[in-house]
Amino acid sequence: KAGVTQTPRYLIKTRGQQVTLSCSPISGHRSVSWYQQTPGQGLQFLFEYFSETQRNKGNFPGRFSGRQFSNSRSEMNVSTLELGDSALYLCASSSVRGLAGDEQFFGPGTRLTVL
Amino acid sequence: AQSVAQPEDQVNVAEGNPLTVKCTYSVSGNPYLFWYVQYPNRGLQFLLKYITGDNLVKGSYGFEAEFNKSQTSFHLKKPSALVSDSALYFCAVRDNYGQNFVFGPGTRLSVLP
Repeated sequence: KAGVTQTPRYLIKTRGQQVTLSCSPISGHRSVSWYQQTPGQGLQFLFEYFSETQRNKGNFPGRFSGRQFSNSRSEMNVSTLELGDSALYLCASSSVRGLAGDEQFFGPGTRLTVL
Repeated sequence: AQSVAQPEDQVNVAEGNPLTVKCTYSVSGNPYLFWYVQYPNRGLQFLLKYITGDNLVKGSYGFEAEFNKSQTSFHLKKPSALVSDSALYFCAVRDNYGQNFVFGPGTRLSVLP
């Protein structure tokens, strides 16, 4: 089974621009979560989608948004980029059944650099 | 609110010696606990989890973890460390109501030859 894939792997943007990241979950998984990883803040939860519905949301400003499509693929969007948005953005999929105890499987991440 | 603490930023151990990476948690409901490992420039890999049942859980690559409810801990252990175990280890918790995963800050494990 193919793992979680994320595109693009690397992105360089300038302040004020917007960016869209894509995540394809493991086949059959219906839950997709997004995380931001930085050296200073560690792994911070952004949001979780299950069957196209946002189920949980982290403490991030409204510039960060996401969605999930009927095929479970997910995108996250960051508008009006700031220097502090530079990070590794990780996507994780889980839950054919949507259970809280299901482990997450992570993609390799998208490295976003904001100049 | 849920939280996870990993009190050690760095753990150094000699190859062949046992290793322990510590984790304590706080959660309102029953905890679901997880360990993940991250190798350089790669995503996180699942190692093991505790949902219910036996307090000692076994996972990938010879790792195991012990759930201790009274101490709210879930320490990761391995009887004999390998140099290839050197990586960043994350503990995570989720409550049984399905709130989002909360990850600890990570512990960097260095296994010295």
